[in-house]
Amino acid sequence: KAGVTQTPRYLIKTRGQQVTLSCSPISGHRSVSWYQQTPGQGLQFLFEYFSETQRNKGNFPGRFSGRQFSNSRSEMNVSTLELGDSALYLCASSLLSDTEAFFGQGTRLTVV
Amino acid sequence: GESVGLHLPTLSVQEGDNSIINCAYSNSASDYFIWYKQESGKGPQFIIDIRSNMDKRQGQRVTVLLNKTVKHLSLQIAATQPGDSAVYFCAESQRSYNTDKLIFGTGTRLQVFP
Repeated sequence: KAGVTQTPRYLIKTRGQQVTLSCSPISGHRSVSWYQQTPGQGLQFLFEYFSETQRNKGNFPGRFSGRQFSNSRSEMNVSTLELGDSALYLCASSLLSDTEAFFGQGTRLTVV
Repeated sequence: GESVGLHLPTLSVQEGDNSIINCAYSNSASDYFIWYKQESGKGPQFIIDIRSNMDKRQGQRVTVLLNKTVKHLSLQIAATQPGDSAVYFCAESQRSYNTDKLIFGTGTRLQVFP
């Protein structure tokens, strides 16, 4: 079966712009979590959605937001981009909260 | 704040040798731990996990050891191969084995040389 799919793979944006990243979980998976990965801070949890509801949220500013659709696909949005938002954004899906989380390949965002 | 960390940022081993990657965690409430492998250009890949009611778990060529007394986790890779070269992360869950919000360590790069 297909794995977790993230689009686009690469993205270049200018400071002040906004961006939307997409994540399609493994078929049947209902939990989708987002992480930011940077060389300085490592992998940090952004938020998690389950059945279209945000259940968990990390320590990121309100410029970072997300949503989940009825088919479990999820999007995350970052508004008013800053240089420090340059990172690899990873999405992970799991069937339920207590089952193995599978990661996508990530979206590499570069803010210039 | 509480976090998961790693002792060694880079580990170089010879092909065929055993590798040991260490991880320290600070939250005694953590009850579930996972090791991930991340190759260049890819997302983290699950290797092995362990719950807090266990102190050892074995997989294919990998063993995870958990010492709750000193809050220490290790990943042992037997007969290390070139394909094992990657960055390895430990992750902890503080929510009753849930994987929906993981706290990751900083990562250790494993380099395997012939």
